[in-house]
Amino acid sequence: DAKTTQPPSMDCAEGRAANLPCNHSTISGNEYVYWYRQIHSQGPQYIIHGLKNNETNEMASLIITEDRKSSTLILPHATLRDTAVYYCIVRPDTGGFKTIFGAGTRLFVKA
Amino acid sequence: EAGVAQSPRYKIIEKRQSVAFWCNPISGHATLYWYQQILGQGPKLLIQFQNNGVVDDSQLPKDRFSAERLKGVDSTLKIQPAKLEDSAVYLCASSLVGRGAGYTFGSGTRLTVV
Repeated sequence: DAKTTQPPSMDCAEGRAANLPCNHSTISGNEYVYWYRQIHSQGPQYIIHGLKNNETNEMASLIITEDRKSSTLILPHATLRDTAVYYCIVRPDTGGFKTIFGAGTRLFVKA
Repeated sequence: EAGVAQSPRYKIIEKRQSVAFWCNPISGHATLYWYQQILGQGPKLLIQFQNNGVVDDSQLPKDRFSAERLKGVDSTLKIQPAKLEDSAVYLCASSLVGRGAGYTFGSGTRLTVV
C-alpha cells in the first residue's frame, strides 16, 4: 500500500502557483519524498525529490516540513500543459525497494 | 539519451488469447520494472528485475503472467490466457541500480481484452 495521502483533485488558474499537498506521517528516516506526474496517455515523469531540505529545479519546488510528515509540491506558474495526475511517493534512494504509487492528485489547470 | 521503448503501443485481443509486450530500457539501467495501470488508478508494480534476475514478483499473477529479461537488457511480459480484467496500460520503467530518482517510464502498451 502507498504510504502517502493526497487529495484526489485540485484546480488551479493558469499563471498562478499550484500547491499540491502530500501527507506522509509514517515516513522513515532514510526515506526520500519523490514527486512524479502523469500526463494523459503517457508514462509517469519524474519531477523532483528531497530528504529534508527544500529543493528546487527547473520544473518545481519541494517544501518538506521540519518533522517530515508532510510536503508540498509547488508549480510556480502553472500552465495548461501542467494538467496531469501528480503522485507523491516515499522510499529510500537505494536499490532493493519498490516505488509504490497511490491514486495521486488530478490537477486541472484552467484558463 | 534515448528513452524507454515499448511496443506495441496498442493491442486488442479476445479473452483467453495470449499477448506479449516488449520493453527496451535506457542503456546502462540495471533495474527494470513492469507496472500495470488500470484506468483511474495509479500504476501497480508487477515485477522488478535487477540485471536479468527477479528482485520482486510478489504482485505478479503467476498463473497467467510471466516475464523475462534475457541478457539483462530487453524484457518481455506475457499474459496467457488473458482475462477481461487484464485490460490496462502496461508500463515499463528503468533506473540505475534501483534508485528512486531517475525512474524513466516508457509510454506504455494499452491492452484491451474483449
